[in-house]
Amino acid sequence: DAGVTQSPTHLIKTRGQQVTLRCSPKSGHDTVSWYQQALGQGPQFIFQYYEEEERQRGNFPDRFSGHQFPNYSSELNVNALLLGDSALYLCASSLGQDSYNEQFFGPGTRLTVL
Amino acid sequence: AQSVTQLGSHVSVSEGALVLLRCNYSSSVPPYLFWYVQYPNQGLQLLLKYTTGATLVKGINGFEAEFKKSETSFHLTKPSAHMSDAAEYFCAVSDPRDDKIIFGKGTRLHILP
Repeated sequence: DAGVTQSPTHLIKTRGQQVTLRCSPKSGHDTVSWYQQALGQGPQFIFQYYEEEERQRGNFPDRFSGHQFPNYSSELNVNALLLGDSALYLCASSLGQDSYNEQFFGPGTRLTVL
Repeated sequence: AQSVTQLGSHVSVSEGALVLLRCNYSSSVPPYLFWYVQYPNQGLQLLLKYTTGATLVKGINGFEAEFKKSETSFHLTKPSAHMSDAAEYFCAVSDPRDDKIIFGKGTRLHILP
């Protein structure tokens, strides 16, 4: 079992550009959550996908959007990048959308916006 | 709104000594509580969680935490620190009604030889 995988590992973009990050959940998991972790901070919840729909959303602008595919993998899209979007983006998967279900985290994608 | 406060962004203990990482939460309803560990260049790993039932929760790697409603606390302890425990630790809270998980800012644990 490969666990949760994310791609790419690192990414450098410039302000105003758009970026797409990808996540493959742990085998058997149907729910994917995305988090932003700024340097020296805890992860902040962006949104959660279950059954190909966004089920929960944190306090992030509409520039942040996502998608879940029938095979449960997911993408996070960020438009009109700002310097403040530089962070580690973490994907977590679980079986079911309830928060008491254990979330398994991927290693993250480090995004740098110049 | 829920929130989590972790006291001490850095904690240093000697190898073999007691580890105590403090976490206080704010929630209007009985919460779910979690402790996660993050090693360098890795994602987070669940150490333990409290949902309902017994307030003393045992987790992996010898860690445990006690849910104290009267003190709104969920401190993490380990009787004897090991060098491999050096990592970043995050306390988190969830409202069972909406399932969003709110993380604290983290405590970096340093183990002194």
